[in-house]
Amino acid sequence: EAAVTQSPRNKVTVTGGNVTLSCRQTNSHNYMYWYRQDTGHGLRLIHYSYGAGNLQIGDVPDGYKATRTTQEDFFLLLELASPSQTSLYFCASSGLNTEVFFGKGTRLTVV
Amino acid sequence: QQKVQQSPESLSVPEGGMASFNCTSSDRNFQYFWWYRQHSGEGPKALMSIFSDGDKKEGRFTAHLNKASLHVSLHIRDSQPSDSALYFCAASEHNYAQGLTFGLGTRVSVFP
Repeated sequence: EAAVTQSPRNKVTVTGGNVTLSCRQTNSHNYMYWYRQDTGHGLRLIHYSYGAGNLQIGDVPDGYKATRTTQEDFFLLLELASPSQTSLYFCASSGLNTEVFFGKGTRLTVV
Repeated sequence: QQKVQQSPESLSVPEGGMASFNCTSSDRNFQYFWWYRQHSGEGPKALMSIFSDGDKKEGRFTAHLNKASLHVSLHIRDSQPSDSALYFCAASEHNYAQGLTFGLGTRVSVFP
């Protein structure tokens, strides 16, 4: 089955801190995504990418940067973390006409 | 306003029973629908997609789509404890998965 691996699985940082969430997929998928999941908001798309070096803005991009260094690796960067960014973050990948495969998530707490 | 709305928020169903829940899109551009399931501590996993009017059956799961009303439902027959999970409806303007918009989910609990 398709594999999407996220690291770390849990992270605590302070307000104003710098955080990088990592994601690797071994599915040979072109498309990768970062979502956040919050009670009352469901899953919301932050950024996504069509391939290495490409970046597309999702529905809730403010406060986030992303970088796709290779076909396999997609990173989400929070340069000045705020408590409102406390959330469960999911990375996912897909082919053009395939389902979206999600990782197990990273729980981020900003104190 | 949520573009993809799900109901109910939660439901309980006895083991062996039928679980049914709904999804509606308020955006007429959203013509393609997916159902995802998320168990506690896991990421969402796709159950099925439905793009055409009518029913689509996969094992114990049946989805129904009415494109005129942008209403889609999911029915789980012979519910099992392993079906206890959060079920998401997701919609898209295209028949591929990029840029899915998710609903808030329906939490299903199957009791013995």
